[in-house]
Amino acid sequence: AQSVTQLDSQVPVFEEAPVELRCNYSSSVSVYLFWYVQYPNQGLQLLLKYLSGSTLVKGINGFEAEFNKSQTSFHLRKPSVHISDTAEYFCAVIKTGANNLFFGTGTRLTVIP
Amino acid sequence: EAGVAQSPRYKIIEKRQSVAFWCNPISGHATLYWYQQILGQGPKLLIQFQNNGVVDDSQLPKDRFSAERLKGVDSTLKIQPAKLEDSAVYLCASSLRTDNSYNEQFFGPGTRLTVL
Repeated sequence: AQSVTQLDSQVPVFEEAPVELRCNYSSSVSVYLFWYVQYPNQGLQLLLKYLSGSTLVKGINGFEAEFNKSQTSFHLRKPSVHISDTAEYFCAVIKTGANNLFFGTGTRLTVIP
Repeated sequence: EAGVAQSPRYKIIEKRQSVAFWCNPISGHATLYWYQQILGQGPKLLIQFQNNGVVDDSQLPKDRFSAERLKGVDSTLKIQPAKLEDSAVYLCASSLRTDNSYNEQFFGPGTRLTVL
């Protein structure tokens, strides 16, 4: 079975500062990895995904993530955050060959002016 | 292109009442998913349809929850009778198909259910 751990439930950060949201996963099989963002009262939007190839993945809104197989991590980063990045961020995995998303518990990013 | 539509957006009911949620996926998407997102948790898959057939309903509490997708397009999720712990956001998602390749899931805005 797959599982996802997001170590930080809340991350406050000042505007224009860098941020890293941590995600670790466990799986006995190979997986695809994802980060989704959820703005208040909205559905989930895909930020970026890792399927194969380069371990550094770039997504929308200036976010990027790095897949580290040895550490089973997929941390999300942004070098300079904006007020509009305030949202809930979810890390998720899919077993390769399947299509069922397993989500972490989420990290609430709050950008402070 | 229109996204995944859900209605209602909000619903408040008393325990033991019944409730139904509706989802219309993106046109042409064969696969439809219902997720339950309890406050403070990540979404959890309840049921997955491929066209009008059920692919996975292992996490659906079948004693009170039911879902259908009769014509392989829109879908209805029902809870009867509702319990306090059913308070959550119910998300619908769709993707082109389910096969051995990755297909991105697109999410609707969700229905927020409060059971009093």
